[in-house]
Amino acid sequence: AQSVTQLDSQVPVFEEAPVELRCNYSSSVSVYLFWYVQYPNQGLQLLLKYLSGSTLVESINGFEAEFNKSQTSFHLRKPSVHISDTAEYFCAVSDDTGTASKLTFGTGTRLQVTL
Amino acid sequence: DGGITQSPKYLFRKEGQNVTLSCEQNLNHDAMYWYRQDPGQGLRLIYYSQIVNDFQKGDIAEGYSVSREKKESFPLTVTSAQKNPTAFYLCASSDSLRGNTEAFFGQGTRLTVV
Repeated sequence: AQSVTQLDSQVPVFEEAPVELRCNYSSSVSVYLFWYVQYPNQGLQLLLKYLSGSTLVESINGFEAEFNKSQTSFHLRKPSVHISDTAEYFCAVSDDTGTASKLTFGTGTRLQVTL
Repeated sequence: DGGITQSPKYLFRKEGQNVTLSCEQNLNHDAMYWYRQDPGQGLRLIYYSQIVNDFQKGDIAEGYSVSREKKESFPLTVTSAQKNPTAFYLCASSDSLRGNTEAFFGQGTRLTVV
């Protein structure tokens, strides 16, 4: 079984400040890792993903995440946030064991950006 | 535009009633999923389907039922057996059930029991 822990339920930050949203996972096999973003009353959108290869992955809007196998982490970072980044962020994990692989989500981190 | 359409956006149900949430996709995806979202609990998998006429229970299937008669449609019925149905329901699809496949989500249906 796999699980995801997002330790911070809420992260308040001022605009243009850096931010880190933490994600730790547990799994006995190799995993794939994802960050999804959800704006109020909306569905989830994929922000970035780690499948293999380079451990640092980037999104088109300035977010990045680094896969750290030894620490079983996949923290999300942005050097300078904008008001429009206010949303809920979900870390998720999946693998290829068995005949069905499905996403296991963390409980989410609400990022609140203020002026 | 390709995507996933969930309807209705808001749904109110009286206690003891069954209700059906619609989910349609035109992405030609094989796999479809239903998740339930509650505040502070993330998303939990209700049912998923890999192919037409086949579906599997997820982690919290009790009180729910699904069908997959067409590739593009995966409706979810919330039955009267579901003790606490008030939640935000999200439908998703992916090209396959492999773990490295991105899931695409609909805009959700907010169900409230009155």
